[in-house]
Amino acid sequence: DGGITQSPKYLFRKEGQNVTLSCEQNLNHDAMYWYRQDPGQGLRLIYYSQIVNDFQKGDIAEGYSVSREKKESFPLTVTSAQKNPTAFYLCASSIDTGPVELFFGEGSRLTVL
Amino acid sequence: AQSVSQHNHHVILSEAASLELGCNYSYGGTVNLFWYVQYPGQHLQLLLKYFSGDPLVKGIKGFEAEFIKSKFSFNLRKPSVQWSDTAEYFCAVLPFSGGYNKLIFGAGTRLAVHP
Repeated sequence: DGGITQSPKYLFRKEGQNVTLSCEQNLNHDAMYWYRQDPGQGLRLIYYSQIVNDFQKGDIAEGYSVSREKKESFPLTVTSAQKNPTAFYLCASSIDTGPVELFFGEGSRLTVL
Repeated sequence: AQSVSQHNHHVILSEAASLELGCNYSYGGTVNLFWYVQYPGQHLQLLLKYFSGDPLVKGIKGFEAEFIKSKFSFNLRKPSVQWSDTAEYFCAVLPFSGGYNKLIFGAGTRLAVHP
């Protein structure tokens, strides 16, 4: 089945540690995105990538980093510089960056202890 | 700044009741509009979308939404809800102002339907 796979589903980390969330898609989509979902705030865009080896900051990129070395993969690193990292993280993809449907993964819940 | 406002954060209904979830956006130009739904334990999925044409659009599972340009609104409706409609609903707006996809999401509305 085609889709987006995020891992891990749940992750705990100590303060001061970096953590990397995985996102893999087999939809052959060019564009990929990372969103952060907080209660009462909806989804906010962290980073997006229109094509391999290219990515752009979204609205809340501070404390995060990404890479796009392969079309199907778009990992997100939550660094120790992120002041409030506990959240639900969603990866998405679309066929391109035009006005098209986003397909979402099931999300990764990060808790910082 | 562009924004999307969903008026109700929590809605509780009995089965067979009618549903209307409000969505307003602040952007004066051309927009594409979406409603996404997140059922408990599942990933976000597209419910319906409006790009152009008939302002009344129909989506999956009996949902529909009406785009009223003069009111900057895109309200979601369903005549008779079912217990299985319990979910969180997100309105999203894509300003047609650039070449990249940057959806602006509302804060979401949690719907609970009681049998």
